[in-house]
Amino acid sequence: SQQGEEDPQALSIQEGENATMNCSYKTSINNLQWYRQNSGRGLVHLILIRSNEREKHSGRLRVTLDTSKKSSSLLITASRAADTASYFCATDLANQAGTALIFGKGTTLSVSS
Amino acid sequence: SAVISQKPSRDICQRGTSLTIQCQVDSQVTMMFWYRQQPGQSLTLIATANQGSEATYESGFVIDKFPISRPNLTFSTLTVSNMSPEDSSIYLCSALRGGSNTEAFFGQGTRLTVV
Repeated sequence: SQQGEEDPQALSIQEGENATMNCSYKTSINNLQWYRQNSGRGLVHLILIRSNEREKHSGRLRVTLDTSKKSSSLLITASRAADTASYFCATDLANQAGTALIFGKGTTLSVSS
Repeated sequence: SAVISQKPSRDICQRGTSLTIQCQVDSQVTMMFWYRQQPGQSLTLIATANQGSEATYESGFVIDKFPISRPNLTFSTLTVSNMSPEDSSIYLCSALRGGSNTEAFFGQGTRLTVV
């Protein structure tokens, strides 16, 4: 079953612009993770944010987490054509170590040069 | 992070046949999972592969259709049985080394087309 919703479902921007994707989830979590998928291949892990963290950075990526609203956002700054991919958020279940991730529906990002 | 080798990477199969997908991790992991991703969709968990015992299936997935093995801490297989065109999907293996707050890593997926 899906954990929640992501919006937008699709996003088209120009190179150099910022891209923001949002994710909502339903249950209490230990952490939330963001993944990238290129053309239906395997998933690449981008960043993990723990439930007691509010913001995390990794290179051009900035992730925020609001556990009171059960939502997260992924910001990609200064986007490049190579950022074109599908982006998924995924959560585990609080108080259950080692559970499978539950994925959101994903955002398809298209960056044109 | 560990490396997962998944094979085959793709296959085209006749309806009514079965396909076994293999997943090999380069180091011991605590948990292994199988996901399905239908065209244009997100990932849906099929089951947790339990080492030395029967897999734990999610609602809508049954052992007769998707038998899973996990004989040790680094290897698992998923069989898609008696295939129909509706089984055409990407199947992904995932593994988790530790407990909470550790990243899950994924194989490259198996793109299955049933004709």
